[in-house]
Amino acid sequence: EPEVTQTPSHQVTQMGQEVILRCVPISNHLYFYWYRQILGQKVEFLVSFYNNEISEKSEIFDDQFSVERPDGSNFTLKIRSTKLEDSAMYFCASSVQGHEQYFGPGTRLTVT
Amino acid sequence: SQKIEQNSEALNIQEGKTATLTCNYTNYSPAYLQWYRQDPGRGPVFLLLIRENEKEKRKERLKVTFDTTLKQSLFHITASQPADSATYLCALDKAGTASKLTFGTGTRLQVTL
Repeated sequence: EPEVTQTPSHQVTQMGQEVILRCVPISNHLYFYWYRQILGQKVEFLVSFYNNEISEKSEIFDDQFSVERPDGSNFTLKIRSTKLEDSAMYFCASSVQGHEQYFGPGTRLTVT
Repeated sequence: SQKIEQNSEALNIQEGKTATLTCNYTNYSPAYLQWYRQDPGRGPVFLLLIRENEKEKRKERLKVTFDTTLKQSLFHITASQPADSATYLCALDKAGTASKLTFGTGTRLQVTL
């Protein structure tokens, strides 16, 4: 059964460094998303992406964040200058029609 | 502001019984309501979607109801098994394409023998 994959599974970085989180969505899906979950808290929406552009973004998704679909299969989330409060589990998700979403296993980002 | 509440952080039931989880929301008019399962350290897994004009949806041992007047959804797992132990998340989804999901905090279900 096709699934969303994410790499790396765990990323440790120093405050102020740039990180790129990678995702390979399910191949026939058209809608792509990033969410994050701080330990013990709820899953929070960051950004949605359709037709090669951002459809919607949350207040969390400020100028430090960007997304890209560089080659038709990968979907990346870049954080330009990480802060301690960016430490969280980051989930990529994809969807065929923009409603039921299929999540990847997540990347645990630890900012020290 | 939008608020989604799921009943009690944890629910303990005996194997074979029916688990009923509640999702209440305010200041929101979702076109769809979805339920996901999340195991520790894993991503949410889609279970069921119900539309605003549907009252009930079933899938195997799962049943979801949606009352837009009460602003409430109930999620039932019948004949529960220890393998059903997980956190269950309610998520609201408004109309439109590529719409974001707004998640509740979840209810942790523990099914014991």
